[in-house]
Amino acid sequence: AQSVTQLDSHVSVSEGTPVLLRCNYSSSYSPSLFWYVQHPNKGLQLLLKYTSAATLVKGINGFEAEFKKSETSFHLTKPSAHMSDAAEYFCVVTLYSSASKIIFGSGTRLSIRP
Amino acid sequence: KAGVTQTPRYLIKTRGQQVTLSCSPISGHRSVSWYQQTPGQGLQFLFEYFSETQRNKGNFPGRFSGRQFSNSRSEMNVSTLELGDSALYLCASSVDRARGYTFGSGTRLTVV
Repeated sequence: AQSVTQLDSHVSVSEGTPVLLRCNYSSSYSPSLFWYVQHPNKGLQLLLKYTSAATLVKGINGFEAEFKKSETSFHLTKPSAHMSDAAEYFCVVTLYSSASKIIFGSGTRLSIRP
Repeated sequence: KAGVTQTPRYLIKTRGQQVTLSCSPISGHRSVSWYQQTPGQGLQFLFEYFSETQRNKGNFPGRFSGRQFSNSRSEMNVSTLELGDSALYLCASSVDRARGYTFGSGTRLTVV
C-alpha cells in the first residue's frame, strides 16, 4: 500500500538554527514527491518538487530536500530558520498508475522561537 | 498571472441543505482537484477532473460530487449537509501532475 509518513507532528526551533522536517513514503511505483507549506487560513503553496531528476531539490525561501530511494525518505531542510517560516508543512506523494493517487502526509507544524 | 480562485471564501449552511463551491483554475491548467481539510482527518483528496472528465475519486460518499466545464472551471457540490462536512475545501489546478499543483485559498464551510 502507498503511504506518506511525516515523522513529527510538531517541530520547534530557534530563529537562525537549522530546520529538519522528516518525511518517509511507501510506494510500489516511482513517485513524484512534493513539499507544500500552509500559513494560517491560507491555501497550500508549493515549496519544491522531486520528479526523478536531481536527488537534491532546491525550493523557494531557502528550503531544500533530498530524495533518498534506499531510505524511502524526502526530508525537508533549511540552514537557518526565519520567523516567517512558522507554518504547517505537508509532504505529498503523487503516484502514477492506472488510478493515480495523491497522498498527503499528516503535516508538521513548525514553530520558530525568537 | 492570476492564481486559483475559489468562491465563496466563507459559507455557513444548515444541516440538510446543499452547497456548491466554485473553483477557477489558472489559465491553461486543465486539471482541477478538490480536497477537504479538517483538524481531525487532515487533508483528504476528493476528486480530480481533467478536460471535463473525472479522472480520479477519493473515498467520500456520493453526497460529494463535482463537475468541470469546458473552460476548466470546476464546481463541487455537497448535498444533505452534515455537521461533519464543516471543513476547509481546497481546490488545486495543474498543467501537469508531475509539476505539482497550485492551490487556491479555500472555502471555509461551516455547517450548523
